Amino acid sequence: QVQLVQSGAEVKKPGASVKVSCKASGYTFTSYYMHWVRQAPGQGLEWMGIINPSGGSTTYAQELQGRVTMTRDTSTSTVYLELSSLASEDTAVYYCARDYTGYDPFDFWGQGTLVTVSS
Amino acid sequence: EIVLTQSPGTLSLSPGDRATLSCRASQSVSSSYLAWYQQKPGQAPRLLIYGASSRATGIPDRFSGSGSGTDFTLTISRLEPEDFAVYYCQQCGSSPGWTFGQGTKVEIK
Repeated sequence: QVQLVQSGAEVKKPGASVKVSCKASGYTFTSYYMHWVRQAPGQGLEWMGIINPSGGSTTYAQELQGRVTMTRDTSTSTVYLELSSLASEDTAVYYCARDYTGYDPFDFWGQGTLVTVSS
Repeated sequence: EIVLTQSPGTLSLSPGDRATLSCRASQSVSSSYLAWYQQKPGQAPRLLIYGASSRATGIPDRFSGSGSGTDFTLTISRLEPEDFAVYYCQQCGSSPGWTFGQGTKVEIK
């Protein structure tokens, strides 16, 4: 069965960076795009970016450009989200979610990773 | 960037009621690229509807989607206790970004 298993919760200080992982199983890793979506406490869903695990190409949300990096490791079927220069506004649950063509809805989601930014 | 506006913000209904949720886009969206998700507290969103009107795998037929252009609707024909949740629409066809509506909370009256 399809599973996206994310790394555990993180607590970071303002200005630091965080790297969250999402390990895929139950399907061909390179056949599906992967998105990252975040949700601040009590707020809605914010799309952050997409990575093509096959070639590694990425597209990021404009407002995060320069702070976000998405990478993948095909040997372990894992995608990574790194966010730098953290501020309190980056406190959120971060989700990975897969998409078949890059223009499809997100049919499977990870369980979420809480990142707390606090001094 | 396409902006999706959902209404109402909160819907207070009783089990067995019919729920009608609206999603309006700032510019035309291909029906192929409009989806709806359900999210319960502490859980990841779950795909309900894709292509504006197709139910995802395992979704009960009390959930239905309709609409085209800039106006889309999610209807829950008879609310079950497990349907009280937050619902989001999403457009997934307009590069450079995928956008979500702000959500509609369906709460027990």
